[in-house]
Amino acid sequence: DIQMTQSPSSLSASVGDRVTITCRASQSISSYLNWYQQKPGKAPKLLIYAASSLQSGVPSRFSGSGSGTDFTLTISSLQPEDFATYYCQQSYSTPPTFGQGTRLEIK
Amino acid sequence: QVQLQQWGAGLLKPSETLSLTCAVYGGSFSGYYWSWIRQPPGKGLEWIGEINHSGSTNYNPSLKSRVTISVDTSKNQFSLKLSSVTAADTAVYYCARGALLRYCSSTSCLGGPDYWGQGTLVTVSS
Repeated sequence: DIQMTQSPSSLSASVGDRVTITCRASQSISSYLNWYQQKPGKAPKLLIYAASSLQSGVPSRFSGSGSGTDFTLTISSLQPEDFATYYCQQSYSTPPTFGQGTRLEIK
Repeated sequence: QVQLQQWGAGLLKPSETLSLTCAVYGGSFSGYYWSWIRQPPGKGLEWIGEINHSGSTNYNPSLKSRVTISVDTSKNQFSLKLSSVTAADTAVYYCARGALLRYCSSTSCLGGPDYWGQGTLVTVSS
């Protein structure tokens, strides 16, 4: 299985901050990388697919970049509703695997 | 508007079989993979497997010996069975719409689950 490693595991930030979360794959996955947001008690929500494509309805302050093994999710200006846990996921090979998550907390 | 609604037993004893069903409302049923994903309490996400409308399946090798995913296209439903459950199978189980079939090769898919069910907490306890 391809291992996905996110950093940091947790992050404290303030409203209006620019935040970057990184995700590294244990082997090249081209651009087969998705990002999700999950709030407590809720199902994950797809934010970014194919490394950099914004899912319909997702605010433009979210962006993704990278290819190969290294990827980033950037939130350009944090809003109160963005405090949540974020997961990356590779869809390059079966089984699709997720990172361990990055918990984004209010400073 | 696509909606997924799931149901099934929430409390099982060790060695029993977990059984969940997910109904899909709206959108195309035949154009997508349909997935099951689980999340143990306080932990991360684990992909269980997927199926398409023709019944073609892919399973997580770690669970393959115990998992069966089936589809009923007449009802736009798909189901999960996980046999011989233990406490380690305690988790919230989600159904989800996976990638578009036309964006998938034999091993890869561009895109990931975009619509999810509400989740079912399944607890395995004696």
